[in-house]
Amino acid sequence: GAGVSQSPRYKVAKRGQDVALRCDPISGHVSLFWYQQALGQGPEFLTYFQNEAQLDKSGLPSDRFFAERPEGSVSTLKIQRTQQEDSAVYLCASSLEGGLVYDEQFFGPGTRLTVL
Amino acid sequence: AQSVTQPDIHITVSEGASLELRCNYSYGATPYLFWYVQSPGQGLQLLLKYFSGDTLVQGIKGFEAEFKRSQSSFNLRKPSVHWSDAAEYFCAVVKGGNKLTFGTGTQLKVEL
Repeated sequence: GAGVSQSPRYKVAKRGQDVALRCDPISGHVSLFWYQQALGQGPEFLTYFQNEAQLDKSGLPSDRFFAERPEGSVSTLKIQRTQQEDSAVYLCASSLEGGLVYDEQFFGPGTRLTVL
Repeated sequence: AQSVTQPDIHITVSEGASLELRCNYSYGATPYLFWYVQSPGQGLQLLLKYFSGDTLVQGIKGFEAEFKRSQSSFNLRKPSVHWSDAAEYFCAVVKGGNKLTFGTGTQLKVEL
């Protein structure tokens, strides 16, 4: 598996449920990003990790959103008490280095979350 | 704040025809600009990027883009479109460190 993988690929949740979305970055990649892509829109930045450190969480829309990367590899995005407006595709990306603007981000296929 | 605008939501071209997708940016200094392609069920894939230097950049799959500071544009071009190019295309700019700010995308349809 050379690319970024995400699981599950599809998730349906009832409003008020908690969900956890997983991202497996490319092995050895230092940086990991989460983006949210609403229907018909471009991806929007949520949060950024360099190894296990969460350096930027300015894009998280509310305190219901929480991300972690405890060992500096796999990351989990957790959404508590899901709302309908949380329905979107959640994209994960990783890059080899940390904090370098020219470092290519490699994207996973995304998790499509539907909140009923 | 840095942002990008893609004025065309949908574009349809015939296979073999040339293509130009528009992207305008707003930024006070030299921007770092990117074009990504997103096919159904696939992750975003980087086509090309511009940081500095030569304003005409070559990318993968036969795409190129030209940075024009005077027009605040970074339009994507391809001389001859293939049916497999049908996808959604996103222009993006780096905002604050290395997080990307994307445009709303242009959906490309290719007629056979």
